[in-house]
Amino acid sequence: AQTVTQSQPEMSVQEAETVTLSCTYDTSENNYYLFWYKQPPSRQMILVIRQEAYKQQNATENRFSVNFQKAAKSFSLKISDSQLGDTAMYFCASRRTGKLIFGQGTTLQVKP
Amino acid sequence: DSGVTQTPKHLITATGQRVTLRCSPRSGDLSVYWYQQSLDQGLQFLIQYYNGEERAKGNILERFSAQQFPDLHSELNLSSLELGDSALYFCASSLKWGGSSYNEQFFGPGTRLTVL
Repeated sequence: AQTVTQSQPEMSVQEAETVTLSCTYDTSENNYYLFWYKQPPSRQMILVIRQEAYKQQNATENRFSVNFQKAAKSFSLKISDSQLGDTAMYFCASRRTGKLIFGQGTTLQVKP
Repeated sequence: DSGVTQTPKHLITATGQRVTLRCSPRSGDLSVYWYQQSLDQGLQFLIQYYNGEERAKGNILERFSAQQFPDLHSELNLSSLELGDSALYFCASSLKWGGSSYNEQFFGPGTRLTVL
């Protein structure tokens, strides 16, 4: 069974600084997909970034990038130039077929 | 706005009651997924439908059931409600039933269920 673990329940960062959120996962599959979702106080689930396991190149979306270490089963999210609007809960998730398997989430607070 | 709609936004009911949550997927999406977010269990997958047929099941209780109608909207029925069923229920939709990286799941705003 696939599992996803986020070991940092809460983190904080100063505005304009860089922060990295950690995620590890466990799967026996070779072909799978990894995601980071953001859940702001509005509770809406917003896709931040995605990574296909067969691609070695780390995904990047503007200020968001990942460090994907397949052998270590690690998938961390780096947020550069943090903004107040980045304050949210962040969920790491994996998917092989249809369903998403989520980690426990990391609450990120960006301080002015 | 993801294009996925869910009604109602909030629902308050009593233990033992039955409720129905409704989801309309994005235009063109054939798959619908239901997830439950609670303080105890986190975000959990409940069930998936694709073009009217059940495709995958997660840790969905026997008291819960779902279906997808010919117009592709979906309903999640929760019966004999218990205090522990209080949660945020999300519906998500995607174009296909699974696999492809472009099969992104778009989430609705959720239905907040409170069981008193």
